[in-house]
Amino acid sequence: TQLLEQSPQFLSIQEGENLTVYCNSSSVFSSLQWYRQEPGEGPVLLVTVVTGGEVKKLKRLTFQFGDARKDSSLHITAAQPGDTGLYLCAGASGTYKYIFGTGTRLKVLA
Amino acid sequence: KAGVTQTPRYLIKTRGQQVTLSCSPISGHRSVSWYQQTPGQGLQFLFEYFSETQRNKGNFPGRFSGRQFSNSRSEMNVSTLELGDSALYLCASSRTSGGLNTGELFFGEGSRLTVL
Repeated sequence: TQLLEQSPQFLSIQEGENLTVYCNSSSVFSSLQWYRQEPGEGPVLLVTVVTGGEVKKLKRLTFQFGDARKDSSLHITAAQPGDTGLYLCAGASGTYKYIFGTGTRLKVLA
Repeated sequence: KAGVTQTPRYLIKTRGQQVTLSCSPISGHRSVSWYQQTPGQGLQFLFEYFSETQRNKGNFPGRFSGRQFSNSRSEMNVSTLELGDSALYLCASSRTSGGLNTGELFFGEGSRLTVL
């Protein structure tokens, strides 16, 4: 069974701080995505990484895919209250199916 | 462009009843997948449909079933409801038609089911 473990599970930080969320697995994924979900809404895609070692930046968010394509990280610089939400990583498993991580609930305090 | 629409948004059922949830994908999206989200288990894959065919299924009992219509709209059904079926059921549509899953999943707001 493929699993994606995220850490930390919960994170409460002050506005302006930096943070990193990790997504780890013992399985190899053909691609990995990061989503953010806000209360009462479905997850929204932030980024897709495909190549081992790939780094993508989205404004203050930096995403990295591990060289072996088994892990990924999300780094947020100078977090803002608008970054608050549930962050989910999702690995493409075989065909037509995504395995979602356990989630990291982030709260950024003003 | 209309997003993914799920109905109903909220519903309450009692144990033993059955429920049908509906999902209308984004126009032009032919792949529809369903996920169950609970605080304890997170997001778990239920099944995926493309052109009215189920292409993949998660590890859920046979009480969970689904189908897709020719217009790509999809329904999922849960029979003989149990307390543990209480969850947010999310539908996602995608343009992905095959090969590597690099396509974006567009999620609806979900149907929140409470089983009493």
